[in-house]
Amino acid sequence: EPEVTQTPSHQVTQMGQEVILRCVPISNHLYFYWYRQILGQKVEFLVSFYNNEISEKSEIFDDQFSVERPDGSNFTLKIRSTKLEDSAMYFCASGSGTLEAFFGQGTRLTVV
Amino acid sequence: TQLLEQSPQFLSIQEGENLTVYCNSSSVFSSLQWYRQEPGEGPVLLVTVVTGGEVKKLKRLTFQFGDARKDSSLHITAAQPGDTGLYLCAGLQTDSWGKLQFGAGTQVVVTP
Repeated sequence: EPEVTQTPSHQVTQMGQEVILRCVPISNHLYFYWYRQILGQKVEFLVSFYNNEISEKSEIFDDQFSVERPDGSNFTLKIRSTKLEDSAMYFCASGSGTLEAFFGQGTRLTVV
Repeated sequence: TQLLEQSPQFLSIQEGENLTVYCNSSSVFSSLQWYRQEPGEGPVLLVTVVTGGEVKKLKRLTFQFGDARKDSSLHITAAQPGDTGLYLCAGLQTDSWGKLQFGAGTQVVVTP
């Protein structure tokens, strides 16, 4: 069964460093998302991406964040200068339309 | 932001019993999705309900979307230990590009 895959599964980085989280969405999907979940909290929307551009973003998704679909298969989330409060599980999701989203296993980001 | 409240937060039952989890909002959603999440993993989509009053069944799980599309319920019949997990509801916000608003989840524990 097709699935969304994310790498790495766990990333530890020092505060102020840049990180890139990678995702391979399901191949025929057109809508791509990033969500995050801080430990013990709700899953929160970060950004949606369609037709090679951001279609919607949350207040969390500030200038430190960017997304890219560099080669037609990968979908990346970059955090330019990580802060301690960026520590969370980051989930990539994709969908053929906007009604459904299929999530990856997540990348646990730990900022020290 | 359209908020979703889930109740109860925690539910512990014996194998063979029935249970119902609720997801409520004061806002209307375009659709509502139910997910199940295991510790350290991504949410796994169980079902999407779109039409007010819609009922969907997935084996022993019955999902209902309220007539006004503001609330939903998940009913499990004859629960089994394998049903143990965190159940999340997520509403698709109106006029959004796939932005899901998640509830905090209901932790279900089914003991043999």
